[in-house]
Amino acid sequence: KNEVEQSPQNLTAQEGEFITINCSYSVGISALHWLQQHPGGGIVSLFMLSSGKKKHGRLIATINIQEKHSSLHITASHPRDSAVYICAVRSYQLTFGKGTKLSVIP
Amino acid sequence: GAGVSQSPSNKVTEKGKDVELRCDPISGHTALYWYRQSLGQGLEFLIYFQGNSAPDKSGLPSDRFSAERTGGSVSTLTIQRTQQEDSAVYLCASTGVRTDTQYFGPGTRLTVL
Repeated sequence: KNEVEQSPQNLTAQEGEFITINCSYSVGISALHWLQQHPGGGIVSLFMLSSGKKKHGRLIATINIQEKHSSLHITASHPRDSAVYICAVRSYQLTFGKGTKLSVIP
Repeated sequence: GAGVSQSPSNKVTEKGKDVELRCDPISGHTALYWYRQSLGQGLEFLIYFQGNSAPDKSGLPSDRFSAERTGGSVSTLTIQRTQQEDSAVYLCASTGVRTDTQYFGPGTRLTVL
């Protein structure tokens, strides 16, 4: 079993929809990252969380340390949000989920 | 420069040859990471440098892989006697002193024929 599990693996949404991507992990962590990888391959760090909730524009990330679970939400989704979203947890090293491929259709 | 840079952007080599991949982190960033992403796979941690401390090499897949960081800045990832399974995008990231946010470079796409 992978230490970091993301769901769904693939997600297609209509423009404007509210999107949730989930990340569950099985180890104790000091921090959790959400990353965005664009179709061209570039990776952007979206959030680093150790507790609670963070918001940046239309993106919201939450983490529940007790439940070992984090969610990334996108409000009013737009086609430019189409990308692979990757969850990564820091325990003894940084371990990555396999990513969620999001496609937002106009 | 403003961001993390990597060179070359693409490298095609023959099986058995050695390759060197370079990463220039953001100036002043103390931590530097190497990852690789094989086709259709997730990101895989390779090695981590933090300041002057001994690097965390726990992610290196074999002794053909090594990395160094000179003067606390530029890093070179060396793969000796390349194999076809080494084909991947190799990514470098750096972080500053007061943040854990990782800034990624554009990657080097390595193809071993």
